[in-house]
Amino acid sequence: KAGVTQTPRYLIKTRGQQVTLSCSPISGHRSVSWYQQTPGQGLQFLFEYFSETQRNKGNFPGRFSGRQFSNSRSEMNVSTLELGDSALYLCASSLITQGNEQFFGPGTRLTVL
Amino acid sequence: DAKTTQPPSMDCAEGRAANLPCNHSTISGNEYVYWYRQIHSQGPQYIIHGLKNNETNEMASLIITEDRKSSTLILPHATLRDTAVYYCIVRAANFGNEKLTFGTGTRLTIIP
Repeated sequence: KAGVTQTPRYLIKTRGQQVTLSCSPISGHRSVSWYQQTPGQGLQFLFEYFSETQRNKGNFPGRFSGRQFSNSRSEMNVSTLELGDSALYLCASSLITQGNEQFFGPGTRLTVL
Repeated sequence: DAKTTQPPSMDCAEGRAANLPCNHSTISGNEYVYWYRQIHSQGPQYIIHGLKNNETNEMASLIITEDRKSSTLILPHATLRDTAVYYCIVRAANFGNEKLTFGTGTRLTIIP
């Protein structure tokens, strides 16, 4: 079974631009979560989508948004990029069962210049 | 979700068992203990999880104390590829709670 895939793997943008990252979950997984990882803040939860609805949200500004499609694929968007948005963005998918584990993709490394 | 405390770093000789401790003294009855690891610049990898009984899989064993206030992840025969940051996470098993709260983890270095 294929794992979680994320595209692109690397991205360079400049301040003020916007970016869209994509995540394809493991087949059959309906929950997709997004995380941001920076050296200073570590791994932080952004949001989670299930059945095309945002179900959980972390403490990030409204510039960070996402969506999920009917095939469970998800995208996250960051508008008006800031230097501090440079990070590894990770996507994780899971089955919806009690105590289930999450499976992470390799991440997208975003650099904002 | 309950907070966890882990030592910032540990070393282990190759071929020996690596024992990684985690304290979660405020854990509540419906919270599971999860372990993930992250090898440099890769996505975190699920290792094992448990509620109150000890668990074992092909990667590791998880020992949870009877009062559930602490746990130990055991890698029975550590190899160089086990060098990574290991995260102990406590998460309620409620339907719809998919959020993982990562702490700073333990940086495990396997010494040849």
